[in-house]
Amino acid sequence: GAGVSQSPRYKVAKRGQDVALRCDPISGHVSLFWYQQALGQGPEFLTYFQNEAQLDKSGLPSDRFFAERPEGSVSTLKIQRTQQEDSAVYLCASSPKLAGGPGELFFGEGSRLTVL
Amino acid sequence: GNSVTQMEGPVTLSEEAFLTINCTYTATGYPSLFWYVQYPGEGLQLLLKATKADDKGSNKGFEATYRKETTSFHLEKGSVQVSDSAVYFCALIPGSARQLTFGSGTQLTVLP
Repeated sequence: GAGVSQSPRYKVAKRGQDVALRCDPISGHVSLFWYQQALGQGPEFLTYFQNEAQLDKSGLPSDRFFAERPEGSVSTLKIQRTQQEDSAVYLCASSPKLAGGPGELFFGEGSRLTVL
Repeated sequence: GNSVTQMEGPVTLSEEAFLTINCTYTATGYPSLFWYVQYPGEGLQLLLKATKADDKGSNKGFEATYRKETTSFHLEKGSVQVSDSAVYFCALIPGSARQLTFGSGTQLTVLP
């Protein structure tokens, strides 16, 4: 389809395992965001890319979280040594515009991570 | 800091009832305000937005007016349908920031 695609949709990990979550934004979209959504809460900002440049990573909760977008298209969010508090839905969103204005973000359906 | 406070849910209404979901905000500068909706099994979608004071955003029968004096952006619909059942999120982008700040969401269930 033409929307933002995320994979896997569901991931169960044992505590201490590393996980990688993938985001395929809409083709040509410049801006890409990652958000974390805990159960019953609103999404919380993790990090922002403009093309391949990671311009803001202030929302990453610890140095176990790492994101990349090497060619300015697909992005991967990696979580090392997962812990139970990492259990959440991870949302990816993209936009054709540079961030900082009232432009619309297009969200994927999210990757639900459960850490046992 | 920047924050959004939403009316707590869940909200259950009968079809054709009037809907109001309250949203108030705290922000530096002059934020843009948004309502996003998440239907079951789908990603977040923009419902409507307003970029300056007294602007009214509207879409699919929903409306919200940017009230600077009360720092509010309440969502309203005159007659809800079963298909409006979803989670609704109020959000803002402050003038100097890039990312959305979301409220905690309000679950709406409309019964036939």
